[in-house]
Amino acid sequence: QSVVTQPPSASGTPGQRVTISCSGSRSNVGTKDVYWYQHLPGTAPKLLIYKNDQRPSGVPNRFSGSKSGTSASLAISGLRSEDEADYYCATWDDSLSGRVFGGGTKLTVL
Amino acid sequence: EFRLVESGGNLVAPGGSLRLSCAASGFIFRNYEMNWVRQAPGKGLEWISYIGRGGSPIYDADSVRGRFTISRDNARNSLYLQMNNLRVEDTAVYYCAGGWFDFWGQGTLVTVSS
Repeated sequence: QSVVTQPPSASGTPGQRVTISCSGSRSNVGTKDVYWYQHLPGTAPKLLIYKNDQRPSGVPNRFSGSKSGTSASLAISGLRSEDEADYYCATWDDSLSGRVFGGGTKLTVL
Repeated sequence: EFRLVESGGNLVAPGGSLRLSCAASGFIFRNYEMNWVRQAPGKGLEWISYIGRGGSPIYDADSVRGRFTISRDNARNSLYLQMNNLRVEDTAVYYCAGGWFDFWGQGTLVTVSS
């Protein structure tokens, strides 16, 4: 089990706004930057958000990140069918002296 | 354009060894820290190893420490993962990824089975 926890699943209808949480502790999320990735089956994962709330060029502004205390969140607004994928957060953990991924959240667009 | 191509994945018996390679092109390889990440069948992404720009520092996940060794050759624009004493639970697609996983290869499959 990862030291960083995500809900295993999330869902929404087209056009809705959904959020995915990433919960940790002071040794990771609480004191380190959080990154978010989208992973479609059979493809390489894609960076969506870096350093908590920064969006790389080319990533639609429908995707946004935030962090408060020991939790971070990824929000997807104007949900589209192509957003159906697995989403992962990642950060550094001081106790493990290594990088960690959350367990992943499977997003279903109903 | 950042391009990473993994190779070396194969079927290997438990206790065996394998060496993965990751060929980089389209960017200045020596300027980027690199990682290996894996995904076991039906499971999530698992970070397993990190190497700094010049070959240090090196960090490994507990699950592979003492068995896997990450290395790089900046002159050859290549990243490596030497995997020893392989276990059935090491079966996964192995990805190389640069930076804070800013860019990824397509992965190579390692199957550990008798």
